[in-house]
Amino acid sequence: DTAVSQTPKYLVTQMGNDKSIKCEQNLGHDTMYWYKQDSKKFLKIMFSYNNKELIINETVPNRFSPKSPDKAHLNLHINSLELGDSAVYFCASSQDYTIGGYTFGSGTRLTVV
Amino acid sequence: EDKVVQSPLSLVVHEGDTVTLNCSYEVTNFRSLLWYKQEKKAPTFLFMLTSSGIEKKSGRLSSILDKKELFSILNITATQTGDSAVYLCAAGRMEYGNKLVFGAGTILRVKS
Repeated sequence: DTAVSQTPKYLVTQMGNDKSIKCEQNLGHDTMYWYKQDSKKFLKIMFSYNNKELIINETVPNRFSPKSPDKAHLNLHINSLELGDSAVYFCASSQDYTIGGYTFGSGTRLTVV
Repeated sequence: EDKVVQSPLSLVVHEGDTVTLNCSYEVTNFRSLLWYKQEKKAPTFLFMLTSSGIEKKSGRLSSILDKKELFSILNITATQTGDSAVYLCAAGRMEYGNKLVFGAGTILRVKS
């Protein structure tokens, strides 16, 4: 059983389109995250949710909107995709929001053409 | 601005060699230092360090934190080809949200 699963694994789309990435964790963790890994390999936090509540919202364009229907799911919707959105997006979860290592999903490689 | 710097950027060694990967950090309200191994896809957790001078070990891997010098090292002894990966260092902040600030990683290639 995959602990943190993301779908789709690959996404190729045209500029201006709207797309969603889904994430689910079966670890019983309270906190979930979205990170973006750019071409230089830096992982940067975008959002964090604790038990469906948004607790971290970094400087991310409004075109990115996370949604957490329950604590096991955190989806990412992106409107009006731009070339610069091309990256690998990782979902992760941790036991809680205070301290601890993350368990990462396998990533979604988004390519905007 | 928070910063995590890893060195070297890349490293090529032969099987059986010992390697030391470096991580320095400047992070507001530092709480913890974490190491991850990233092969093709998801980073996998290796260690979390919160106290200075206490070595953590897992098999051939070990790590230690120096909170005075704002530095951590990851050692891998008797390297194997399966150790080839990107090793990521991340600093955790003492704040609501458990945000991690990642370095760019060290690419390790172990040749047989």
